[in-house]
Amino acid sequence: GQQLNQSPQSMFIQEGEDVSMNCTSSSIFNTWLWYKQDPGEGPVLLIALYKAGELTSNGRLTAQFGITRKDSFLNISASIPSDVGIYFCAGLSGGSNYKLTFGKGTLLTVNP
Amino acid sequence: EAGVAQSPRYKIIEKRQSVAFWCNPISGHATLYWYQQILGQGPKLLIQFQNNGVVDDSQLPKDRFSAERLKGVDSTLKIQPAKLEDSAVYLCASSLSDSSYNEQFFGPGTRLTVL
Repeated sequence: GQQLNQSPQSMFIQEGEDVSMNCTSSSIFNTWLWYKQDPGEGPVLLIALYKAGELTSNGRLTAQFGITRKDSFLNISASIPSDVGIYFCAGLSGGSNYKLTFGKGTLLTVNP
Repeated sequence: EAGVAQSPRYKIIEKRQSVAFWCNPISGHATLYWYQQILGQGPKLLIQFQNNGVVDDSQLPKDRFSAERLKGVDSTLKIQPAKLEDSAVYLCASSLSDSSYNEQFFGPGTRLTVL
């Protein structure tokens, strides 16, 4: 099956720092998504990318859909304590049903 | 607007016992998904419903897992009998439809511990 390699596995940063994480795949995806999951909650969609090369921002978050359609990155600028959580990339394959494949996640810890 | 509701939030059982989880999707959402999220992993799709029909159950271990969505609204996921490796969070999600990409909204999950 399709697999996503997400890195880094975990990050420990100081408040105010920028952070970057990325996701690569051996398969092409039509859409890349980035989610955040807080403890005891389900994932919440942060950014959706629909076109190769697309660069999209949502507040302090910026994400890009790689030209090859096999990778994506997420940047968070000026981190704050509430950015703590697990960030997942997900690739969406088309076809008869729109199926999400998730990466293993990046655990972000922000030290105030 | 109410989100996706799941119950129970936590369940502890012994191996070989049975367990059932319940999900109520967002009102009007035709598509419902069950995911399994093992500790340290991303969610993995188990089964996808469009209304009350199964669209994809290719990753559902059918010898022990079953799911239904009889009236096209609520859904239940059952494990019988449970194994130690079934310990995970079971997430339910819903979206408007599966005819094109629509955002999936996730519930808080049910954390299952099998002893």
